[in-house]
Amino acid sequence: GDSVTQMEGPVTLSEEAFLTINCTYTATGYPSLFWYVQYPGEGLQLLLKATKADDKGSNKGFEATYRKETTSFHLEKGSVQVSDSAVYFCALKRYSTLTFGKGTMLLVSP
Amino acid sequence: EAGVVQSPRYKIIEKKQPVAFWCNPISGHNTLYWYRQNLGQGPELLIRYENEEAVDDSQLPKDRFSAERLKGVDSTLKIQPAELGDSAVYLCASSPPRTVKETQYFGPGTRLLVL
Repeated sequence: GDSVTQMEGPVTLSEEAFLTINCTYTATGYPSLFWYVQYPGEGLQLLLKATKADDKGSNKGFEATYRKETTSFHLEKGSVQVSDSAVYFCALKRYSTLTFGKGTMLLVSP
Repeated sequence: EAGVVQSPRYKIIEKKQPVAFWCNPISGHNTLYWYRQNLGQGPELLIRYENEEAVDDSQLPKDRFSAERLKGVDSTLKIQPAELGDSAVYLCASSPPRTVKETQYFGPGTRLLVL
C-alpha cells in the first residue's frame, strides 16, 4: 500500500540556519504530494503541494520539488525563524485519500 | 471565513464509556473527513463523506465506532464503548467540491484520553 517516510526528529536549528526535512514515498501511479504544518495546539495547515513530477511547491519561504525518479519530496527553507517551530507532515494523495508520514518536529532557537 | 470547528477540544473518560465528537465543516464544503492521530504518528483516515453519503469507511472500526452526517453539513463521530487504545486526537477536515479536492482544511482536533 501507499506509505510516506520522513526523517525522524526533532530537528534542532538556530535561527537563520538552512532547513532540510527529507520525505520519500511509496505509491503506485502518480500521487499528489503535500507538506502540512501543525503548530502547537492547532490543526494541520497546508504548507505547499505539488501535483506532478518536477513541480515545485512553495510558500512562506519553504520549497519542495516532486522528484519521481527518487520518489522524494524534501522540504527546504533557506533561513528558518523561531516562528517556524512546529511539526511538519509529508503526505501523498491518490484519489481522495491522504496518507501521512509520522511527522518531523522542528525546533528553532534564537 | 470560519474554519473547521470541532468540539469538545478535550475529553477524558473511563474505559467502556461512550463518547461523541462533533464537527462543523467550512461552509460550502461537501466533503468531510474524520482522522485519528495517535501520539507521534500522522493522521489516519477513519471515514470520508461526500455530502450525506459515507463513501470510504474501510478503516472505521465498525464494532465500536459510528459516524453520521445528517443533512450533509455537521458530523458526529461516536465511540461506544471506548477502550484504552482509543486515546488519540480525532481530527475533522473538509474540502470544497469539484476541482480543488487536494486541499483539505483541518480543524484543531479533539484530544481524547481514556482511563
